Amino acid sequence: GENVEQHPSTLSVQEGDSAVIKCTYSDSASNYFPWYKQELGKRPQLIIDIRSNVGEKKDQRIAVTLNKTAKHFSLHITETQPEDSAVYFCAASPPRGSYIPTFGRGTSLIVHP
Amino acid sequence: DGGITQSPKYLFRKEGQNVTLSCEQNLNHDAMYWYRQDPGQGLRLIYYSQIVNDFQKGDIAEGYSVSREKKESFPLTVTSAQKNPTAFYLCASSGRQIQKLFFGSGTQLSVL
Repeated sequence: GENVEQHPSTLSVQEGDSAVIKCTYSDSASNYFPWYKQELGKRPQLIIDIRSNVGEKKDQRIAVTLNKTAKHFSLHITETQPEDSAVYFCAASPPRGSYIPTFGRGTSLIVHP
Repeated sequence: DGGITQSPKYLFRKEGQNVTLSCEQNLNHDAMYWYRQDPGQGLRLIYYSQIVNDFQKGDIAEGYSVSREKKESFPLTVTSAQKNPTAFYLCASSGRQIQKLFFGSGTQLSVL
C-alpha cells in the first residue's frame, strides 16, 4: 500500500517568514495530493490540492509543488501570520481501487508574532 | 448548516463498556470514513463505507465496529476489545470527487 512520509514534525518560524513542509510518497500510481489544515481542537480542512498532471498550484499565500519523478510534494506558505499556526497534513490518493487517501503524520507549524 | 456532524463532543468510557460515536452528514455524500487521531500519529483509518449496507476495514479496525444502514449515518462503536481507546475520533465524508474529504468536528474519547 501507499506510504507517506512528512517532515518536519514541528516547524517554528517568525511572523513574515516562509514555511515549507515536505512529503514523500511510495506509490507512483497516486495522482491526487491534498493538504489539510487542523487548528487546535478543530476539524481538518482542505486548504489546497494538486493532481499529478500539474507541477505547481498557488492560492494567495500558499502553494503546492509536485515532483512526480522523485515522488515528493511540498507545501509553501509565504508571509506567515500567527493564524497560520496549526497542524498540517499531507496525503496521497491512488486513482483506482478504494481511492482512500493515506495521510502523513502531520507538521505542527508555530508562527511567533 | 450543511455539513457533517459528530456527537458527542466528549465521551467517557468505563472499562468493559461499549460506546457509540455518532456521525451524520447532509451533504448527500456516498462515502463515509472513520479516522483515529493520536498525537504524532497522524490520521489512521478505522473503517470506511462507499455505499449503504457495505463497509470495509481500514488499517486499525480491531476493537471497533460500524454500520451503514442509511446514507446519512455512519456510527462507530468502540468495543471493550479496544484496550487503548483514548483518542480523538474524526468522521469524514466524500462525494463524487471522491478523493476530497470533508471532516466532522470530532469526538474526544477518554477512559474513566
